[in-house]
Amino acid sequence: SQQGEEDPQALSIQEGENATMNCSYKTSINNLQWYRQNSGRGLVHLILIRSNEREKHSGRLRVTLDTSKKSSSLLITASRAADTASYFCATDAYGGATNKLIFGTGTLLAVQP
Amino acid sequence: DVKVTQSSRYLVKRTGEKVFLECVQDMDHENMFWYRQDPGLGLRLIYFSYDVKMKEKGDIPEGYSVSREKKERFSLILESASTNQTSMYLCASSPPPPGKNTEAFFGQGTRLTVV
Repeated sequence: SQQGEEDPQALSIQEGENATMNCSYKTSINNLQWYRQNSGRGLVHLILIRSNEREKHSGRLRVTLDTSKKSSSLLITASRAADTASYFCATDAYGGATNKLIFGTGTLLAVQP
Repeated sequence: DVKVTQSSRYLVKRTGEKVFLECVQDMDHENMFWYRQDPGLGLRLIYFSYDVKMKEKGDIPEGYSVSREKKERFSLILESASTNQTSMYLCASSPPPPGKNTEAFFGQGTRLTVV
């Protein structure tokens, strides 16, 4: 399987703290993306980082990418209770007639008010 | 506002039934995907399609087939439903072509229970 892995599987923090999630993957990639999923719902795109980028920011989100280690991290600063959700990384890999997204196993983040 | 719509939020089917899960997108995207999501396993790709009538197997295609007769619609078919196909099914679409840095848009999911 090409599926990536995320670490930790679950994370519980207090409101105002920072949350860091890590993602490892196995193949060469075009880009890496992070998605959020509220309980029982579809996924929503958060941020995309290209393979030639090392760091990217969007609001309270900071993503890093290390292609030599095939790993990425997502940092959410000053977390809020509304950030409680599952977070998935997805790699956009070359292959076949189109690019396809391969998802990791996800990190369940709980932010306590 | 972009939209991917899955025909049902919840479905209960009997073992051996033929099941159709429908997905429609209104963004004129070439690429469409079907994933299943199970606890602890994340999202696993079942099938994807990069054009009308074109399809490719994902990581877990066994027990499933797909149909893409029109650009906006991508159907997942369980030929003979089994209890191990009880899962959350997610449809997604994304713009073309290969190599572009683009995001995927997801439907709200269909929770299928096979009894």
